[in-house]
Amino acid sequence: QQQVKQSPQSLIVQKGGIPIINCAYENTAFDYFPWYQQFPGKGPALLIAIRPDVSEKKEGRFTISFNKSAKQFSLHIMDSQPGDSATYFCAASKGDNTDKLIFGTGTRLQVFP
Amino acid sequence: ETGVTQSPTHLIKTRGQQVTLRCSSQSGHNTVSWYQQALGQGPQFIFQYYREEENGRGNFPPRFSGLQFPNYSSELNVNALELDDSALYLCASSLGFANTGELFFGEGSRLTVL
Repeated sequence: QQQVKQSPQSLIVQKGGIPIINCAYENTAFDYFPWYQQFPGKGPALLIAIRPDVSEKKEGRFTISFNKSAKQFSLHIMDSQPGDSATYFCAASKGDNTDKLIFGTGTRLQVFP
Repeated sequence: ETGVTQSPTHLIKTRGQQVTLRCSSQSGHNTVSWYQQALGQGPQFIFQYYREEENGRGNFPPRFSGLQFPNYSSELNVNALELDDSALYLCASSLGFANTGELFFGEGSRLTVL
């Protein structure tokens, strides 16, 4: 049973655009929501993460928006660059072990110059 | 500080064979988790090892087994390989129960089962 649904599957934007990737979860026990970035041939790397006590978190050009009542969270990439072209995964876990991540299916982002 | 390293990077096996994948955790990390990433999918949690003990398992059959050694390195063993086992196997390390929630992934071992 897929517990984290991610959309869209792919996204194409021009440089400077603001791609938005959305995720929805089912398990209300989840309380840790990271986003991972994966380049071809590499393992995923943590980009930014949020816990449900806040509705928004910014780190550089990356922002997570979190809606606890809707059980949804999203990643916004401000002023996107060609170097941001990668696959992005949302994930969720329960507080007793944040290493047991449930990943979404991924969004392949392409940023054109 | 060395990152997570995995070996081999690529390997090809046939159905019914057995495979062992190896992982060296990042310096100072005592917890290792293994994930399976099928093509075009997100990683799926296989199991986690903390202080040489299995500490949680995902929805994988018993033919997937593992070990963690005193130096915190780890092995993933898969017996009786099936075609659907073809995937990228990712190892990730962390500081375990004292962690910040960040997993550090290796580049993976790509297994092809023919």
